[in-house]
Amino acid sequence: DAGVIQSPRHEVTEMGQEVTLRCKPISGHDYLFWYRQTMMRGLELLIYFNNNVPIDDSGMPEDRFSAKMPNASFSTLKIQPSEPRDSAVYFCASSWTGGNTIYFGEGSWLTVV
Amino acid sequence: GEDVEQSLFLSVREGDSSVINCTYTDSSSTYLYWYKQEPGAGLQLLTYIFSNMDMKQDQRLTVLLNKKDKHLSLRIADTQTGDSAIYFCAISKGGGADGLTFGKGTHLIIQP
Repeated sequence: DAGVIQSPRHEVTEMGQEVTLRCKPISGHDYLFWYRQTMMRGLELLIYFNNNVPIDDSGMPEDRFSAKMPNASFSTLKIQPSEPRDSAVYFCASSWTGGNTIYFGEGSWLTVV
Repeated sequence: GEDVEQSLFLSVREGDSSVINCTYTDSSSTYLYWYKQEPGAGLQLLTYIFSNMDMKQDQRLTVLLNKKDKHLSLRIADTQTGDSAIYFCAISKGGGADGLTFGKGTHLIIQP
């Protein structure tokens, strides 16, 4: 099993630019989560999907952030326009109904300058 | 206070046991997890315990759960330099069907 795959692994972008982070969950998993990790706030749940439908997006910080899951094997997290305070590690994770654990990708390390 | 609390740092000598502690507020948490994060890497699931268990052992790892005090601990026996990482405690109500609430993580520092 390839695990949860995220891209890009690292991105440096200028303030105001659009950033798109991508995630491929583990095959067969029907839950997908997006987390953000910062020194100040730790790990925060941004949004999660079940069967490609957003279930809870209460953690999305503001309208500049959006997430989609067009099919069971792909999700995107978009930031437009990006700001320096968006600099963080963004993790995608997946799990399946009846499972007890959530599996994380290696993260996308975003720096906005 | 925070939903899940951990000490920020723990320093131990190589070969000794490490005990990382975690307290939580939500008594309805049914799954409790320990994740490990090495520098520049993602989160690796180490182990988890159901709320109806008091203890779980897996090789060098021992998890203890005190539901009354809402206290979870992770003991690493014979700590090695490769154990140097950040250890996160996390709680969930629904296991794989629910988002996790994480503590801020404990940096485990190994002294030679």
